Amino acid sequence: AQSVTQLDSQVPVFEEAPVELRCNYSSSVSVYLFWYVQYPNQGLQLLLKYLSGSTLVKGINGFEAEFNKSQTSFHLRKPSVHISDTAEYFCAVSEANTGFQKLVFGTGTRLLVSP
Amino acid sequence: NAGVTQTPKFQVLKTGQSMTLQCAQDMNHEYMSWYRQDPGMGLRLIHYSVGAGITDQGEVPNGYNVSRSTTEDFPLRLLSAAPSQTSVYFCASRLSRGLTYNEQFFGPGTRLTVL
Repeated sequence: AQSVTQLDSQVPVFEEAPVELRCNYSSSVSVYLFWYVQYPNQGLQLLLKYLSGSTLVKGINGFEAEFNKSQTSFHLRKPSVHISDTAEYFCAVSEANTGFQKLVFGTGTRLLVSP
Repeated sequence: NAGVTQTPKFQVLKTGQSMTLQCAQDMNHEYMSWYRQDPGMGLRLIHYSVGAGITDQGEVPNGYNVSRSTTEDFPLRLLSAAPSQTSVYFCASRLSRGLTYNEQFFGPGTRLTVL
């Protein structure tokens, strides 16, 4: 069964600094990978997704992520963060053997951007 | 269109009470699902439906019932609320259950407290 690990529960960073949020997954079959963002008291919004093809995917708000099959990772990066990026970020995976029907989420990483 | 809507936004229950969390979507989506979000645990799938009249269990189904009599609505029922069901509940939907990717949209959430 698939699982997702987000090792960092909280990442503090200064405004305009780069950031990387780590995500590792466990699966033995083909996967789709996702990053979602949740702003305070809101629902989840899709940041970016990897389905197939290029391993470097770009999303909204200047975020990008790289799929590394050998390391089973899908880390999220942004070269320069803004205060408005303060939010919780969730990595998620769905597997081919469930027909990609079920999304399994990681425990989330809270990004705290300070001036 | 309104997307995915959830009511109520907030609810306080006493142990043993029953209630129904409402979820509706106006996008003619086949697939609908319910998640609960707890601190440090990310989102966990409770139940899902791949179409009207078809439901199945997710990761944490105990204590919850669902039905899908129409394409638009997917209510979540708590028959006898317990403090362990204190959580934020999210409903989500996407166009179809097939292997072709389509984005999953989330509702704004219902914050439930069971005393």
